[in-house]
Amino acid sequence: TQLLEQSPQFLSIQEGENLTVYCNSSSVFSSLQWYRQEPGEGPVLLVTVVTGGEVKKLKRLTFQFGDARKDSSLHITAAQPGDTGLYLCAGRLTNAGGTSYGKLTFGQGTILTVHP
Amino acid sequence: NAGVMQNPRHLVRRRGQEARLRCSPMKGHSHVYWYRQLPEEGLKFMVYLQKENIIDESGMPKERFSAEFPKEGPSILRIQQVVRGDSAAYFCASSPALAGVYNEQFFGPGTRLTVL
Repeated sequence: TQLLEQSPQFLSIQEGENLTVYCNSSSVFSSLQWYRQEPGEGPVLLVTVVTGGEVKKLKRLTFQFGDARKDSSLHITAAQPGDTGLYLCAGRLTNAGGTSYGKLTFGQGTILTVHP
Repeated sequence: NAGVMQNPRHLVRRRGQEARLRCSPMKGHSHVYWYRQLPEEGLKFMVYLQKENIIDESGMPKERFSAEFPKEGPSILRIQQVVRGDSAAYFCASSPALAGVYNEQFFGPGTRLTVL
């Protein structure tokens, strides 16, 4: 059972198109992070969201944290070939007492390919 | 501006040998996390350490795997008597502290372990 369901798993689009990647869970997260990973490299942190309903923008990337802090989305506007890569969402769980665990729980990842 | 450093980047071992993976956290970071990425799978948490303490090892296999983060020097992930199923990319991440909701983790480039 995957705690964080990320979809779609694969996405192949043309340059200039828009896309959205989803990250869903039945669990509450104290924070959620989005990473991008290139082949042969480690994940690079793009953004952290911590407040329910929070929206953050990073150039053409828009990140949203669900009101209940159980889901998140990444939207890319006018995708470019340079956006090609593996996108990962990762969250820190919160237990019933409200304490955050240190470890990150990752989704399976979305492999994005943007064709020129 | 040194980030998280890992070495070696690539490691080849024969079945039954030992593998030692090293991780130096970012300057000012006192928390280290190890994750494993198997082919076709996402990153899985293994262990969380602070200096001279193991905080959470819930993701570590019960046998052959151990980790340490001594007072001086890098964190070490040690795999004894490696088997082919240990072949994977091993990533280290560091964060400044657990306190605070952000607790952003920054990843190193990884060590690719191949067991022949």
